[in-house]
Amino acid sequence: GDSVTQMEGPVTLSEEAFLTINCTYTATGYPSLFWYVQYPGEGLQLLLKATKADDKGSNKGFEATYRKETTSFHLEKGSVQVSDSAVYFCALDNYGQNFVFGPGTRLSVLP
Amino acid sequence: KAGVTQTPRYLIKTRGQQVTLSCSPISGHRSVSWYQQTPGQGLQFLFEYFSETQRNKGNFPGRFSGRQFSNSRSEMNVSTLELGDSALYLCASSWVGGRSTDTQYFGPGTRLTVL
Repeated sequence: GDSVTQMEGPVTLSEEAFLTINCTYTATGYPSLFWYVQYPGEGLQLLLKATKADDKGSNKGFEATYRKETTSFHLEKGSVQVSDSAVYFCALDNYGQNFVFGPGTRLSVLP
Repeated sequence: KAGVTQTPRYLIKTRGQQVTLSCSPISGHRSVSWYQQTPGQGLQFLFEYFSETQRNKGNFPGRFSGRQFSNSRSEMNVSTLELGDSALYLCASSWVGGRSTDTQYFGPGTRLTVL
């Protein structure tokens, strides 16, 4: 079946450091790819998405590019802030069969 | 536009009891999905409802059930609670689901603790 793999972390960075969280997927066809963020005590919030190959999703300084050749959707941010500390989930939706989430990556940003 | 709302936010039950959780989707959204989130298993899909019909189901025992009403509001029921049912239960809604371009919007979750 479909699956999502991502680095589990925790990832600890200093403020203004560059962030990469790797995400790779296994799926038939052409799924949509998503990054969701979960702040402490809250539900998941959509961060960005891409629906076809080579699409770049971006939001709040975060970016991810849908790479079909490497089945990847890595999340990047050029300069992280303390407020970015959260758990980040990579996910796919393969024509509504149901969402499949990765295990989540906990990010801690230190001042 | 109001987001997805879930009630109650916190719940404490004892083993053997049953519980009902409620989810109100974003206005106009007709698809509602439920997820269980635990530290050990992560986010796991429970089921999805669309137009009052269960359209997809995850790999959970029959103690977990749900329904959807004509106004798209959904309830999830867990009977004969076990300690392992302690989790954050998340509800998500989308316009119609069933399409890869649709986006799910999540509620804040209901934290269930089983003692």
